Amino acid sequence: GQNIDQPTEMTATEGAIVQINCTYQTSGFNGLFWYQQHAGEAPTFLSYNVLDGLEEKGRFSSFLSRSKGYSYLLLKELQMKDSASYLCAARGGYNKLIFGAGTRLAVHP
Amino acid sequence: DTAVSQTPKYLVTQMGNDKSIKCEQNLGHDTMYWYKQDSKKFLKIMFSYNNKELIINETVPNRFSPKSPDKAHLNLHINSLELGDSAVYFCASSQDFDSYGYTFGSGTRLTVV
Repeated sequence: GQNIDQPTEMTATEGAIVQINCTYQTSGFNGLFWYQQHAGEAPTFLSYNVLDGLEEKGRFSSFLSRSKGYSYLLLKELQMKDSASYLCAARGGYNKLIFGAGTRLAVHP
Repeated sequence: DTAVSQTPKYLVTQMGNDKSIKCEQNLGHDTMYWYKQDSKKFLKIMFSYNNKELIINETVPNRFSPKSPDKAHLNLHINSLELGDSAVYFCASSQDFDSYGYTFGSGTRLTVV
């Protein structure tokens, strides 16, 4: 079967750090994406991990452990504009993306 | 210049009607996709075409029929619309089905009343 789990909602304070976890079980796993989606908009690409380890890109970092079926997205120095849904997606065969339900992050002043 | 454009952006229609959503990409990509995002925000793949050929066809009612007249276009036709078809439909493209870079369109919000 194919299953992607991530928390439904999280809250954090401006300037803080937040970690959004994702566990996955998919056949033909070929990498793990994180997307950001603001309400009423298209998902926008944040990161892609295919090998184990941490990928850092400015305020955003993403980690993957293939053996544990686990990933996380780390957001540092949170800003109000980071309030959005964060979607974890496993890449399968033929470039198919299997998405989790998304984590709604609310950043408060 | 919009990379992946969908029309219309909003579509309100009655149950039983037939409607189409159009998608065009100007990125020169070979592979295009349709995803559906329901009210619970789950994004789920429906179809994928590579160079006009169907390569992914998930368990979708046969009321949904994709058509790719050329590799820059992937349209979605829906027959006999039902209330449960209400969702946001996203078109996307990638260089090919080996390339991980997806570009999503801005979505079409379909409301069936």
